[in-house]
Amino acid sequence: GQNIDQPTEMTATEGAIVQINCTYQTSGFNGLFWYQQHAGEAPTFLSYNVLDGLEEKGRFSSFLSRSKGYSYLLLKELQMKDSASYLCAALDSNYQLIWGAGTKLIIKP
Amino acid sequence: IAGITQAPTSQILAAGRRMTLRCTQDMRHNAMYWYRQDLGLGLRLIHYSNTAGTTGKGEVPDGYSVSRANTDDFPLTLASAVPSQTSVYFCASSESSGGEFNEQFFGPGTRLTVL
Repeated sequence: GQNIDQPTEMTATEGAIVQINCTYQTSGFNGLFWYQQHAGEAPTFLSYNVLDGLEEKGRFSSFLSRSKGYSYLLLKELQMKDSASYLCAALDSNYQLIWGAGTKLIIKP
Repeated sequence: IAGITQAPTSQILAAGRRMTLRCTQDMRHNAMYWYRQDLGLGLRLIHYSNTAGTTGKGEVPDGYSVSRANTDDFPLTLASAVPSQTSVYFCASSESSGGEFNEQFFGPGTRLTVL
């Protein structure tokens, strides 16, 4: 079956760095997405990886290893506004997104 | 209209009633999607449409139907609502279904309660 695993909840301190991991098992693979979702709001796109390696976008970076079925989202210089859920999603061979349950990130001052 | 809109914002519905959730996008995206999001679970795909005039079933299609008469609109209908359909419903669209073009833009959601 198809499956996405990510931690349910993480806590970090303002100004620090946090890494949110995601492992996936899908039938076929056409890329890995990360979305941010603030409480009570809609998800918004953060990043897309299809090749192995690190993609950096400001304070946020995303890494992919296709051979390991593994990705992570790295958030630097954490701000209180980064408190949100982070959703990992893999695009399968039918071009359907398989979503993880999300990681709730709590930022403490 | 800017982006993707949904209506209503929230609704309380009696079990057995018929309900249509509306979704409209003005980005001329080819692909559109309906998801439900329940606490502790990921977004689950209900139905999708890769282009106007075509629709497909997602992971949890039972009890729901969709139509895609034109590019902009993608309504979701619950023929006879049941309490297990209580959820937050998100409509989304993307330029296409392939690769990076599958970056999905989401509407604000409809919070539906079935009693």
